[in-house]
Amino acid sequence: TQLLEQSPQFLSIQEGENLTVYCNSSSVFSSLQWYRQEPGEGPVLLVTVVTGGEVKKLKRLTFQFGDARKDSSLHITAAQPGDTGLYLCAGAPGDDKIIFGKGTRLHILP
Amino acid sequence: GAVVSQHPSRVICKSGTSVKIECRSLDFQATTMFWYRQFPKQSLMLMATSNEGSKATYEQGVEKDKFLINHASLTLSTLTVTSAHPEDSSFYICSAGTGSSDTQYFGPGTRLTVL
Repeated sequence: TQLLEQSPQFLSIQEGENLTVYCNSSSVFSSLQWYRQEPGEGPVLLVTVVTGGEVKKLKRLTFQFGDARKDSSLHITAAQPGDTGLYLCAGAPGDDKIIFGKGTRLHILP
Repeated sequence: GAVVSQHPSRVICKSGTSVKIECRSLDFQATTMFWYRQFPKQSLMLMATSNEGSKATYEQGVEKDKFLINHASLTLSTLTVTSAHPEDSSFYICSAGTGSSDTQYFGPGTRLTVL
């Protein structure tokens, strides 16, 4: 069974601080996606990484795919209250399905 | 592009009744759609894969006779929760892929409350 482990599960930091969220697996994925979900809404896609070692930036968010395509990280610079939410990583093992991590619940304190 | 809608957004029903949830891909065709269930403060759990024109594929532990899935067209999949009970209360989310990549696009979810 392929699993995606996210860490930390919960993170509460002050506005303006930097943070990194990790998504790790012992399995190789053809791609990894990061989603953000707010209460009562569906997940919204932030980014898809496909190539090992790939780095993508989305404003203050930096996403990296591990060289071996087994892990990924999300780094947020100068966090803002609007960044608060549940961050989910999801991996595509090669078939149609995607597998979700348990998520990191991020709370940015103003 | 790649917008997925769900209807209804919220539904409250009595125990023993059936509830139908629709999932539509608005600007693309989806041969495959996915149905997830999410309990409070937990991640998404895949329930089944909905295949256009054929039977759905259910994940282990999901009762196919209770959660009926119909994928009638390339833009519509429906999930019917039959004889709903309070333990079926949850947030149900569908997703669809465009077929050109692994990325899935999610609907806004349906909050089901069974009294």
